Amino acid sequence: EVQLVQSGAEVKKPGESLKISCKGSGYSFTSYWIGWVRQMPGKGLEWMGIIYPGDSDTRYSPSFQGQVTISADKSISTAYLQWSSLKASDTAMYYCARLIKSLWGYYYYMDVWGKGTTVTVSS
Amino acid sequence: DIQMTQSPSSLSASVGDRVTITCRASQSISSYLNWYQQKPGKAPKLLIYAASSLQSGVPSRFSGSGSGTDFTLTISSLQPEDFATYYCQQSYSTPIFTFGPGTKVDIK
Repeated sequence: EVQLVQSGAEVKKPGESLKISCKGSGYSFTSYWIGWVRQMPGKGLEWMGIIYPGDSDTRYSPSFQGQVTISADKSISTAYLQWSSLKASDTAMYYCARLIKSLWGYYYYMDVWGKGTTVTVSS
Repeated sequence: DIQMTQSPSSLSASVGDRVTITCRASQSISSYLNWYQQKPGKAPKLLIYAASSLQSGVPSRFSGSGSGTDFTLTISSLQPEDFATYYCQQSYSTPIFTFGPGTKVDIK
């Protein structure tokens, strides 16, 4: 079974650093992009960025460039999302998802999702 | 950047109703449009990709149509488990695949 298992909920203070994880199993982790999506409380889905674990090629949404770092360790089939200095506005649910390309054409979509990691930033 | 809008932002419907949700892109995105369903406290679930292709395991009452800038998601006969929020997503503008703001479907 293809799965993405995300790390557990985090409660942090403003200014602290954090790294959350997303571990893939049941498929070739290095062959598919992994995307990160933010959902602030009561709000919609926001595209943050993607990484290709095979070569660590990483792309960011302009809204998140410089605010977070996306990385991956292909030896343990795990992608990461990290912050160097958290703000209260980073409080949200963060999802990772596998980005797959259709067998025909160049249609990309997110077919498998992790259950999400809740990040709460509060003094 | 490509902006996505959805209408309505919310709707109330009854079991058995035919429901249509519209998604519009700020520029042509051909058929690079996906639909997701999200239930409270759960991760999104893929319903439709490439505007009209039904994801494996998704009930056939869900269908998608459209191309260019205008797209629709139709639920032919609403079931109790379909009450959720629905998001469209464009996958034309690599690598930024923007989501729409969502449409919440609740019980009338």
